[in-house]
Amino acid sequence: AQSVTQLDSHVSVSEGTPVLLRCNYSSSYSPSLFWYVQHPNKGLQLLLKYTSAATLVKGINGFEAEFKKSETSFHLTKPSAHMSDAAEYFCVVSGRFGNEKLTFGTGTRLTIIP
Amino acid sequence: KAGVTQTPRYLIKTRGQQVTLSCSPISGHRSVSWYQQTPGQGLQFLFEYFSETQRNKGNFPGRFSGRQFSNSRSEMNVSTLELGDSALYLCASSWAKGPPSDTEAFFGQGTRLTVV
Repeated sequence: AQSVTQLDSHVSVSEGTPVLLRCNYSSSYSPSLFWYVQHPNKGLQLLLKYTSAATLVKGINGFEAEFKKSETSFHLTKPSAHMSDAAEYFCVVSGRFGNEKLTFGTGTRLTIIP
Repeated sequence: KAGVTQTPRYLIKTRGQQVTLSCSPISGHRSVSWYQQTPGQGLQFLFEYFSETQRNKGNFPGRFSGRQFSNSRSEMNVSTLELGDSALYLCASSWAKGPPSDTEAFFGQGTRLTVV
């Protein structure tokens, strides 16, 4: 079975400083990996996805993530945090047979300090 | 292009009642998945429908059921509601043409169900 572990339940950074949200995955097959963001009272929005092409994936709003198979990690980064980045972030792994059954991490709440 | 639409947005029900939630996928999307989000359990997969057939199912009791119509709209039903069913129910659609695919899942804003 597949799973993801988000190593921090809460991360606080100052505006303009780098963001690092950590995610480790476990899978018995070559998975697809995603990062989704959820703003308060909103649905989930896809930030980026890894599907066995380039290991460094660029997403929307300046976010990127690097797939490291040797470390089973898929950490999300952004060089400079913006106030609008404050939200809940989910690391997600696909099902063995497709992306219609996703397994979510427990989420990381990102707070931006003005 | 309209996104995934879930109705109603908010719902309050009493223990023992049943509830039906609706999800209209993005036009052209044939796969609809449902997820339950709670503070304690996080986001958990309920089931997925494609062309009116349930293809995947999560680990939820039989009180949770769903269906999909020929226009790809989906409904999810919860019978004999329990307090623990209070949650945000999210629907996602994707443009799967056939077997489970590599396509992106687009999520609706959810229905917040409160059971009292």
